[in-house]
Formats: sequence, C-alpha cells, structure tokens
Amino acid sequence: GAGVSQSPSNKVTEKGKDVELRCDPISGHTALYWYRQSLGQGLEFLIYFQGNSAPDKSGLPSDRFSAERTGGSVSTLTIQRTQQEDSAVYLCASSRRTSYNEQFFGPGTRLTVL
Amino acid sequence: AQTVTQSQPEMSVQEAETVTLSCTYDTSENNYYLFWYKQPPSRQMILVIRQEAYKQQNATENRFSVNFQKAAKSFSLKISDSQLGDTAMYFCAPQAGGTSYGKLTFGQGTILTVHP
Repeated sequence: GAGVSQSPSNKVTEKGKDVELRCDPISGHTALYWYRQSLGQGLEFLIYFQGNSAPDKSGLPSDRFSAERTGGSVSTLTIQRTQQEDSAVYLCASSRRTSYNEQFFGPGTRLTVL
Repeated sequence: AQTVTQSQPEMSVQEAETVTLSCTYDTSENNYYLFWYKQPPSRQMILVIRQEAYKQQNATENRFSVNFQKAAKSFSLKISDSQLGDTAMYFCAPQAGGTSYGKLTFGQGTILTVHP
C-alpha cells in the first residue's frame, strides 16, 4: 500500500487480557516508531526500530509492553495483562531513515480497556 | 531531552482569515528539525511543514509558513486564507538526531476550528 497501515482500527478488551497491535510501514522505510496518544499524557514516544532491532525502548511504560519487528517490515506491539490506564490511541510511524526525516503516520489503533 | 510548549489549547478563526499558532521548545541539540503536524478528526497525522534548524530562511508551503527564531527557540505556524479543511489539532514537534534516533517530541497540541 501507499501509506502506513495499522490493525485493528479499534480494539476493546477486558482488563487483564493481552492484546496485539499491528503496524505495516511504508515499503523500504527502515525506521519505525510507536507512539501513544492519551488524554492525560498527550503524545508520547514508546519505542523505535532500525531494521529489526530496537535501540531505544526508553518510552515503554512498563514491562507489560513489548514490541518486535520482523523482516524489516511489520511490527507488533504487545500489551500483556492490560490495565485501564493502557486505554489510548496507539500510533505507528515510519521513515526512510532515522534522523532528520519526515515520519509518515498510520491511522492508529484505539484501545479501550474495560 | 527536548520539551515543547504550545500555549494555546484552542484557537478559532473565520474562513479566509489568517491565524498563527505558537510553539516554544527547549533542546540541547545544535542541529535538529522542527515539524508541524495536523491531526483532523479522522485521527490521521499529516505533515504540514518542516524547518531545518541550520537554515535561516523560514519554510513556506502554500498557505502555511513558519516564523522560526532559533535563539528564542520559537517556531510558530501561520495559516493564511484559512479553509474549513484546516480544522484539526496541530502539533509542534522538534526532532533531534544522534542518540535520539529521530524520535519526535510533541507539544500538547492546539485545537484549531475554522468557522464558515
């Protein structure tokens, strides 16, 4: 596709369940970023991938959060034992390379934890 | 670490008028980029304009222009001839290189409403 895609668009889950959020970056983009957008915290960085490696995981809020990227393409963000404070919109972005590059964003996944 | 302040939580403007959104930031980097992104109700973040910090000339993109004051660490966005489609939340976002790996730091955003 021409842009970054994310699935699902919306996810409703019960507290304590695990969820997986998927991101398909633009083909050929080596850098991939995950951000979280919530009412209380605004837009915050979660994790960054260069190829399949994640040099910067500094934004992950707890050890319940993990992410991987395979084949230098698709990335999955996994939240284990979800809590109500995990409710937010999770945005994925990709860019051709890292520094000094425009990031192209996907439409996001709205996660609601009941 | 970078911090960003957008001091206007909400702004409104009449169609065809001009509006300016303000942004100040703090960074220890000497070389960096600055971006304005818009997020309409559809949730899709869209790049509006970008500025390289080493360039003195202010960036322009059609009806959008910036006033970049590097010493003051100020980066405001001017929208001329506002259109209904400009209604969105606008985010200012500096981007550093090096060990920051190009991650964006976002301000709290300004909700812009364009009235007919």
